[in-house]
Order: sequence, then structure tokens, then C-alpha cells
Amino acid sequence: GQQVMQIPQYQHVQEGEDFTTYCNSSTTLSNIQWYKQRPGGHPVFLIQLVKSGEVKKQKRLTFQFGEAKKNSSLHITATQTTDVGTYFCAGPGGYQKVTFGTGTKLQVIP
Amino acid sequence: DGGITQSPKYLFRKEGQNVTLSCEQNLNHDAMYWYRQDPGQGLRLIYYSQIVNDFQKGDIAEGYSVSREKKESFPLTVTSAKKNPTDFYLCASSRLGNLGKETQYFGPGTRLLVL
Repeated sequence: GQQVMQIPQYQHVQEGEDFTTYCNSSTTLSNIQWYKQRPGGHPVFLIQLVKSGEVKKQKRLTFQFGEAKKNSSLHITATQTTDVGTYFCAGPGGYQKVTFGTGTKLQVIP
Repeated sequence: DGGITQSPKYLFRKEGQNVTLSCEQNLNHDAMYWYRQDPGQGLRLIYYSQIVNDFQKGDIAEGYSVSREKKESFPLTVTSAKKNPTDFYLCASSRLGNLGKETQYFGPGTRLLVL
């Protein structure tokens, strides 16, 4: 079955530094979604990418979908303590199913 | 929280006891899902349902059962309460759409502790 891997598993950054998490799929994806889970909370949808090479921005967050549609990245510029949490990518896992990546847990040191 | 409620927030049960976790949504979504969140392994799909009175096994269905008697409700029963570390269960719902492109809305989760 489809596997979606994320790296790194954990990342500690100093506040103000940049952060990037990478998502890689074993198969070509029709689309990829990104979710954020705050500590003690539940995943919340951030964005969806559909087109090859697509780049979308949300304030300090930049999302990219690879040309081959098998990988994606989330880059946060100048991290803040509010960015703390676990970031998941997710791709289609069959009819009406989504396969979630393993997640990257971000810790921001003030 | 996207109109999805889960109860209880914390659930304590003795080893071997069956427990049922509640999930209710008022978003008029057809599809509902149950995930277990394991540290370092992300969200693992237990069961999902696309329509009332129908559901399918996910990747880790063994030891669990579900029902979908109403569109709004998708309870999960843990039938083999093993003595494991604390498990966190998440319920989600979405519209029926195009092959996994629909946004999933999650409930706040239930943390199950087996004594």
C-alpha cells in the first residue's frame, strides 16, 4: 500500500530560525494535504496542493508540491512559539481514505 | 472544532473490559473515520464509513468494532483492552468527494488508559 514518510521526526529550533519538514510518497499523488496538531489538540487542516510544482503561501508558511507529485515540503520562516506542534502531510489512500504521514514534531525554543 | 464531539475526553478501563468511544458530528458529512494516534507513527486508520449502515476496515481494525446507525454518529468499541500505554483516539468526518481530496475535520480526541 501507499506509504507517506516525513522527515525529520522531531525538530528543535531557536525562535526566529527557519524550519522545514519534508514529505515523501512511494507513489504519485493526485493531491497532498497538510495538517497541524497543537500539543494536546487535534489535527487541523492547513492547505491542499493539487498541481505539479505548486507553491502556496500562508503568511510565514510556504507549501510546495514536487514536480513529480511524489514529495512535498512545508517551510516556516522565522518561527514563533505559536508554531509549536506536529505537522502532518496526507495523501489519498484509496477511495475516500487519506493516508497520513508520520508527522514532524516542532519545538520552538524562546 | 469543526462540529465534531467526542466523549469522554479521558476513559479508564480495566484490562479485558470492552469500552465504547462516542463520536458525533453536526456537519452533515457522509464519511466518518476513526484513527489511533501512535507516537512516531502518525495517525493510523481503524475503521471508516461512507454511508449509514456500512463501514470498512482500516489498517489496524483488529480488536475494534464500529456501527453506523445514524449519519451523525460513529461509535467505536475497543473489544480487547490490552495493557498498553495510553492510546489517543481521534474521530474525523468529511464530505464524500473526489478520492481523498476532501478536508478531514477532527474531533478533540479521547485518551484511553487501561489499568
